[in-house]
Amino acid sequence: AQKVTQAQTEISVVEKEDVTLDCVYETRDTTYYLFWYKQPPSGELVFLIRRNSFDEQNEISGRYSWNFQKSTSSFNFTITASQVVDSAVYFCALSTGFQKLVFGTGTRLLVSP
Amino acid sequence: DAGVTQSPTHLIKTRGQQVTLRCSPKSGHDTVSWYQQALGQGPQFIFQYYEEEERQRGNFPDRFSGHQFPNYSSELNVNALLLGDSALYLCASNQMTGRGDYGYTFGSGTRLTVV
Repeated sequence: AQKVTQAQTEISVVEKEDVTLDCVYETRDTTYYLFWYKQPPSGELVFLIRRNSFDEQNEISGRYSWNFQKSTSSFNFTITASQVVDSAVYFCALSTGFQKLVFGTGTRLLVSP
Repeated sequence: DAGVTQSPTHLIKTRGQQVTLRCSPKSGHDTVSWYQQALGQGPQFIFQYYEEEERQRGNFPDRFSGHQFPNYSSELNVNALLLGDSALYLCASNQMTGRGDYGYTFGSGTRLTVV
C-alpha cells in the first residue's frame, strides 16, 4: 500500500523566515513519482514540483527548494524568505506510473507580516 | 491555453438527491481523474477515466459513478446523497502518453454541500 505522511498540521512563521515542510512516504514500488502541490483558499491545487524515484538530485527554484532522500523516504520542501502570499495548504503526493495520486493530509502554512 | 474547467463551482443538495458534476480537461489531455476532498483532509482518489472507460477506482461506493465523453470531458454522478458526501470535488487531467510525463492539472473544484 502507498502512504504519505505530513506530520505538521499547521506552521506559523513571520515573513522572511525560512520554513521546511516535511513529507514521508511509503511504497513498495521501485518506480514512483513524488509531488508537491499548493492549495490557496480558492481551492485549486497548484503544481509545484514532480520528482521520480531515480532522480535524487535536489532542486532549487527561486525561493523554493526540495530535498529528496530515498534512504529515509522523505521529500521535504523548503521556502526561503517566506512571504504572505505563501500562505496556503501544501500537499505532498505519491504516484506510481499512471496510477492515482495518494495525498498526505496537508500542512497549513500561515505567514504573517 | 485553458486549464481544467469544472462546473458548477458551488452546489447545495438535499440528502437523498442525485448530483452531476462536470469537468473539461486541459487542452491536449485525454485522461480525467476525480478526487474528493473533505474539509481539512487531503484529496482522496475516486476514479480515473481514459478512452471513455473507468480504468481505476478508489475506495468509494457504487453511488459514485462517472462517464467520459469522446471529447475527453467527464461527469461525476453521485446518487442517494449523504451528509458525508459534502466536500470539494476536484477534477484532474493528464495525458496518457507513456513518456513518463505525469503532469496532472487540477481544476478549482466543485464545492458540494448536502443538507
